[in-house]
Amino acid sequence: DAKTTQPTSMDCAEGRAANLPCNHSTISGNEYVYWYRQIHSQGPQYIIHGLKNNETNEMASLIITEDRKSSTLILPHATLRDTAVYYCIVSSISNFGNEKLTFGTGTRLTIIP
Amino acid sequence: ETGVTQTPRHLVMGMTNKKSLKCEQHLGHNAMYWYKQSAKKPLELMFVYNFKEQTENNSVPSRFSPECPNSSHLFLHLHTLQPEDSALYLCASSQEGAWTEAFFGQGTRLTVV
Repeated sequence: DAKTTQPTSMDCAEGRAANLPCNHSTISGNEYVYWYRQIHSQGPQYIIHGLKNNETNEMASLIITEDRKSSTLILPHATLRDTAVYYCIVSSISNFGNEKLTFGTGTRLTIIP
Repeated sequence: ETGVTQTPRHLVMGMTNKKSLKCEQHLGHNAMYWYKQSAKKPLELMFVYNFKEQTENNSVPSRFSPECPNSSHLFLHLHTLQPEDSALYLCASSQEGAWTEAFFGQGTRLTVV
């Protein structure tokens, strides 16, 4: 499984854009990049995923570099409720054909009032 | 509300007890997962079920016994646990196949005394 590297923690001022980087230099051609977040004491929540192209939804934007070795999750206008641990995951297919999400330690994002 | 419901939310059990965790989803998904999240460690995938069949067991000790009677329900039967098994146990579901988002429950906070 491709490994991801994220900063341990980040701060962002409320109302500003939060840019969370992720390195996945060993990603292979058919592996997707997923982002989930986990607010304290809750289950992880899906944010967005992508393969090659940049993606945007109502929660965030995902920018993937052309070589696919890194990506950035952008929360355009961070609010206090965005304080959470953010996980960048490279999804792989197991021997049984299941998609596998292997979570790392993530980035603890704190939104500052 | 993610559509994945876990009960109980909290459980304290002795090392000689037998208990079960329950997970229920009515999202029409046919893949279900158990994850374990220990303090200060990443989420660990324990079991995967596709169409009620177990398709992945990540070397989980036999004191954890999963059961999937149908595509909407998943159980984790616990017996003779150890204090180090205390953790947040998370259930997730997704549509079978690749590259889809997983929906997580709120988890069961288990304490083994």
